[in-house]
Amino acid sequence: QKEVEQDPGPLSVPEGAIVSLNCTYSNSAFQYFMWYRQYSRKGPELLMYTYSSGNKEDGRFTAQVDKSSKYISLFIRDSQPSDSATYLCAACHQNSGYSTLTFGKGTMLLVSP
Amino acid sequence: EAQVTQNPRYLITVTGKKLTVTCSQNMNHEYMSWYRQDPGLGLRQIYYSMNVEVTDKGDVPEGYKVSRKEKRNFPLILESPSPNQTSLYFCASSVQENNEQFFGPGTRLTVL
Repeated sequence: QKEVEQDPGPLSVPEGAIVSLNCTYSNSAFQYFMWYRQYSRKGPELLMYTYSSGNKEDGRFTAQVDKSSKYISLFIRDSQPSDSATYLCAACHQNSGYSTLTFGKGTMLLVSP
Repeated sequence: EAQVTQNPRYLITVTGKKLTVTCSQNMNHEYMSWYRQDPGLGLRQIYYSMNVEVTDKGDVPEGYKVSRKEKRNFPLILESPSPNQTSLYFCASSVQENNEQFFGPGTRLTVL
């Protein structure tokens, strides 16, 4: 079982919809959680970074972490065609100076005008 | 402009012909990493470097070598490329591994 699981999609929504993207993880040692956005033919870029359980909001984006159920979510409000991309969740833990960063496989999102 | 650069962006080569993909960052980051991205498999880490002269294997290191002689550069070396190394490669850097990773634009490699 991969440590970070993510539905590959594609997820197709109309413009203006609320989008929910989700990941589950198995390693309870993960402490840091990130969401990256990757446009076609580009490198991933960081969208959201969270450390603890709870919500973090940035504009139309909200990241949610539930450590008790090992569940990570990204919500996009008022989705736009420019949000069409692949969204990668990532988790990291650090122990005695050694860190590991694990990515999910990514979910492709398509927002139609 | 803060960035990670990779060269070449596209490369078609033949089995067994040694090649090097360069990676350079101008943000004075200590941590650098190489990933390959394949359909259905996602991003998989090949090698990473915590600092100059410190490198370690990631999840899929077989067939690759790296070096970190300077802080800004982290080249990926394929001594004898094989077709199963056809992939999209990304270099990334960050202050530390648990910080935001800045990715390069990618190198699409085809090994015939």
